[in-house]
Amino acid sequence: NAGVTQTPKFQVLKTGQSMTLQCAQDMNHEYMSWYRQDPGMGLRLIHYSVGAGITDQGEVPNGYNVSRSTTEDFPLRLLSAAPSQTSVYFCASSYSPYRGSTGELFFGEGSRLTVL
Amino acid sequence: KQEVTQIPAALSVPEGENLVLNCSFTDSAIYNLQWFRQDPGKGLTSLLLIQSSQREQTSGRLNASLDKSSGRSTLYIAASQPGDSATYLCAVPGGSQGNLIFGKGTKLSVKP
Repeated sequence: NAGVTQTPKFQVLKTGQSMTLQCAQDMNHEYMSWYRQDPGMGLRLIHYSVGAGITDQGEVPNGYNVSRSTTEDFPLRLLSAAPSQTSVYFCASSYSPYRGSTGELFFGEGSRLTVL
Repeated sequence: KQEVTQIPAALSVPEGENLVLNCSFTDSAIYNLQWFRQDPGKGLTSLLLIQSSQREQTSGRLNASLDKSSGRSTLYIAASQPGDSATYLCAVPGGSQGNLIFGKGTKLSVKP
């Protein structure tokens, strides 16, 4: 009954360091996405994928890379962390995206990242 | 550009009250609307997904309504309990595939 699993739950980085936030889902969902949540800004889409091998940018993609080699996994890479990337990151997935909608979204528990 | 607004930002009620949370959106051409619950330090839990062809969706003590023409949705919580205390967010598709536009949420506190 895992659903969407994110690791790590907490991470502290120094400016300029790189890291990967992991996301895995066991529901055979086609659609996966990454959001960041910041006080006063709400949730904003970073990148998303509608299937293995297909990714696209969301609202705030700069400074982040993604890839989707399998249906289950959708890692988010920070190549050179900046203090502005301090945030809570959420991975989400849904069964079947259709034009104009994601379908019902299921979220992970979040990864809290602090960049010093 | 689609914008989603939730009013009020915070709400405190005594246990047992029925209450309504509001969500409004600027572009009525949506396929669906979702309501989520977020507990402190946790992820979002989907409560209800209401399709554009539906006017209502119910789950237990929760009832969501959707009026596309007026750009509004309401989440009705019956007989509120302290365990209902959380932040409630609504979200609609943003137009391009994959983008959900979220409101900033209503923080609900139910006092025993």
